[in-house]
Amino acid sequence: KNQVEQSPQSLIILEGKNCTLQCNYTVSPFSNLRWYKQDTGRGPVSLTIMTFSENTKSNGRYTATLDADTKQSSLHITASQLSDSASYICVVSARGSYIPTFGRGTSLIVHP
Amino acid sequence: DTAVSQTPKYLVTQMGNDKSIKCEQNLGHDTMYWYKQDSKKFLKIMFSYNNKELIINETVPNRFSPKSPDKAHLNLHINSLELGDSAVYFCASSQALGSGVSYEQYFGPGTRLTVT
Repeated sequence: KNQVEQSPQSLIILEGKNCTLQCNYTVSPFSNLRWYKQDTGRGPVSLTIMTFSENTKSNGRYTATLDADTKQSSLHITASQLSDSASYICVVSARGSYIPTFGRGTSLIVHP
Repeated sequence: DTAVSQTPKYLVTQMGNDKSIKCEQNLGHDTMYWYKQDSKKFLKIMFSYNNKELIINETVPNRFSPKSPDKAHLNLHINSLELGDSAVYFCASSQALGSGVSYEQYFGPGTRLTVT
């Protein structure tokens, strides 16, 4: 069964600090992995997408990594800002499937 | 200009009622979706339409009926509302529907449905 597990479930950090969110998946055969950011009260917005051949992708202060061998991805946030407070959702797509598998998200709170 | 819009943003209704949520996208996309996000923030796909044709129907009760009058609109009608239907419903669209290809999905702001 295809599954996406994210950790930690929630995280509180101080403004300016770095943090790393984890995503482990069992989706097979793997096609691509996408990270979304969902602000409170809004819909998710895509941050990065990575295919099998990519192991790092950056979007400003967000850097996603992918290890297709161990089926793990991480999202690293550098020099966090208050506006980074949100839920971060990992979504994995399988080849041959129309339906992506969603993780339950990591809730990040950045305190001043 | 809002890319994906939903109305209403909030919907409070009693059990047994019938209600509709409307969704419109102005991105020229071929594919639209409905998602349900429960109280634990888990997003679950319900339906997907590609060029007005139903492609994905993920074990959703028959009380939920999507309708796509054209590629830019995908409405969700819910009959005989139940307490368990309370959730946030998101509409989304993507350029196309890829089998294993991840076209970026653009989400609407959500409709918070509360059934009392």
